[in-house]
Amino acid sequence: GENVEQHPSTLSVQEGDSAVIKCTYSDSASNYFPWYKQELGKGPQLIIDIRSNVGEKKDQRIAVTLNKTAKHFSLHITETQPEDSAVYFCAASKAGSQGNLIFGKGTKLSVKP
Amino acid sequence: DVKVTQSSRYLVKRTGEKVFLECVQDMDHENMFWYRQDPGLGLRLIYFSYDVKMKEKGDIPEGYSVSREKKERFSLILESASTNQTSMYLCASGEGHTDTQYFGPGTRLTVL
Repeated sequence: GENVEQHPSTLSVQEGDSAVIKCTYSDSASNYFPWYKQELGKGPQLIIDIRSNVGEKKDQRIAVTLNKTAKHFSLHITETQPEDSAVYFCAASKAGSQGNLIFGKGTKLSVKP
Repeated sequence: DVKVTQSSRYLVKRTGEKVFLECVQDMDHENMFWYRQDPGLGLRLIYFSYDVKMKEKGDIPEGYSVSREKKERFSLILESASTNQTSMYLCASGEGHTDTQYFGPGTRLTVL
């Protein structure tokens, strides 16, 4: 079955710097890749997603890139702010899986003022 | 906006008790999911449902059961709670054709 690996497990950056979190997946049939942000004491919130028919998607300070050949995708956060501090999860799914997402183990991002 | 609500934010139960965790979504989504979240282990799928009265086992169904009598409600049942079921429980819902999932705030369950 699908396996999603996420790196790094923790990431500390200075405010204003960029942060990059990377995920690899094993099933070449996977075609949907969302990213979730989980703040302390809250449930994960979808922040951006990408489907396999595009290579990059941006939304203000966040972007996701997908390399289908290498089977990896990345989250990029530019001009980080303290409120970006949270745990970020990547996930993958494929058509016919009844909406099941396979999650990475998460990255704890700390943005230092 | 999609809203997924869970019946309790915090719950404390004793070993051997029967525990019900309730989840309600207001977007007429076909799919609903129960996960548990533990430090270092990420989100692990317990059960999911893609229709009323339908259920499928996830990766860690042992010790749990579920019920989906109405489309908007998905219940997780711990028949006889044990201390190793102390965890954060997250419910999610999603449309069948997009794979996008929306999460509730979670229930932190402590079993003493």
